Amino acid sequence: SQTIHQWPATLVQPVGSPLSLECTVEGTSNPNLYWYRQAAGRGLQLLFYSVGIGQISSEVPQNLSASRPQDRQFILSSKKLLLSDSGFYLCAWSPGGASYEQYFGPGTRLTVT
Amino acid sequence: SQQGEEDPQALSIQEGENATMNCSYKTSINNLQWYRQNSGRGLVHLILIRSNEREKHSGRLRVTLDTSKKSSSLLITASRAADTASYFCATDEQGAQKLVFGQGTRLTINP
Repeated sequence: SQTIHQWPATLVQPVGSPLSLECTVEGTSNPNLYWYRQAAGRGLQLLFYSVGIGQISSEVPQNLSASRPQDRQFILSSKKLLLSDSGFYLCAWSPGGASYEQYFGPGTRLTVT
Repeated sequence: SQQGEEDPQALSIQEGENATMNCSYKTSINNLQWYRQNSGRGLVHLILIRSNEREKHSGRLRVTLDTSKKSSSLLITASRAADTASYFCATDEQGAQKLVFGQGTRLTINP
């Protein structure tokens, strides 16, 4: 069966520090991968998605970047965090495009102080 | 981009009652999906309904889709305390690789 891992679960970082969040998927190959951010009590904002190694689509211009160095690994990064980067970050995978259901990881709660 | 909008934003009912949540969207879709999110957790897929379907059932869940009105509803029958969560609809854009999520309905089931 397929599983998706995200770490860390929680993170407190000072403004201006770098960020690296990692997401890995097991039990499937060539998944579509997604990074979302969720503000408290709000819906999901799609940040990046990837349909293959090295292929990244950015949805919202911002202080973040994403990379997919391996088929089942998706990394979210920032060189210098802003206060506005605080939020709940969710990684998800799907076996194809938008006609398929998405499977979410447990999320990372990021607080920028 | 298009976005599903859920209504109401919050709903509080007694255990055993039925809960109905609505979703409206703006452009043509291939499918519409519903997800549940428990507080502080990732989303869990509940049901997918395709644009050529009008109604779909899964256990205590019933989803309807009216493409002429660009709307969908999620009905949870005989609610339980464990159904307390936020519920989101998500729509695709035809041919797109991504989903667009609404703001969600926060459902509270009172024992």
